[in-house]
Amino acid sequence: QQKVQQSPESLIVPEGGMASLNCTSSDRNVDYFWWYRQHSGKSPKMLMSIFSNGEKEEGRFTVHLNKASLHTSLHIRDSQPSDSALYLCAASITGNTGKLIFGLGTTLQVQP
Amino acid sequence: EAAVTQSPRNKVTVTGGNVTLSCRQTNSHNYMYWYRQDTGHGLRLIHYSYGAGNLQIGDVPDGYKATRTTQEDFFLLLELASPSQTSLYFCASSVSTEVFFGKGTRLTVV
Repeated sequence: QQKVQQSPESLIVPEGGMASLNCTSSDRNVDYFWWYRQHSGKSPKMLMSIFSNGEKEEGRFTVHLNKASLHTSLHIRDSQPSDSALYLCAASITGNTGKLIFGLGTTLQVQP
Repeated sequence: EAAVTQSPRNKVTVTGGNVTLSCRQTNSHNYMYWYRQDTGHGLRLIHYSYGAGNLQIGDVPDGYKATRTTQEDFFLLLELASPSQTSLYFCASSVSTEVFFGKGTRLTVV
């Protein structure tokens, strides 16, 4: 069973629209979360990290974290075609931040 | 930006063959990782290390060995390659809160 579950599996939004991606862990030992973005044929690159309850905003990207429910979400406003990519959620286990567990990802397509 | 270099970028080998994938990072990062990425399975951790001479077992270690010879170099060894090991392999390094990935090695076992 995947310890990090992402939804939806795929998402299509119009250019300029809002994309919302979800990630939940079933492992109570998870503490920190990251969001990575992987364009087709490229390697994953970190987009944002969140370690505390609440919200964090960087430009068009906002992440939320609820540690009680081990749920994080990524929101992309004013989506651009260049945002089309695979979005990966990753989590680390308490006391072992060196080991990341990845979800299967959400494929986002932004239509012009 | 942190540099993680993998070689080769593409490799084709036969079933039962011997393959070594190489990874070098020049960031002085402590942690290095080997992942494989497959459709339907996502990124799965094979082995990782937190320093020269150290090796930690990941989530899918069967059929793989790894060695961390220096702070910079981490190798993944497939001694009896099987078609199930056909995959895209990523090496990565990290120091604390961010993992940097190499460009990947596409391995095909025929």
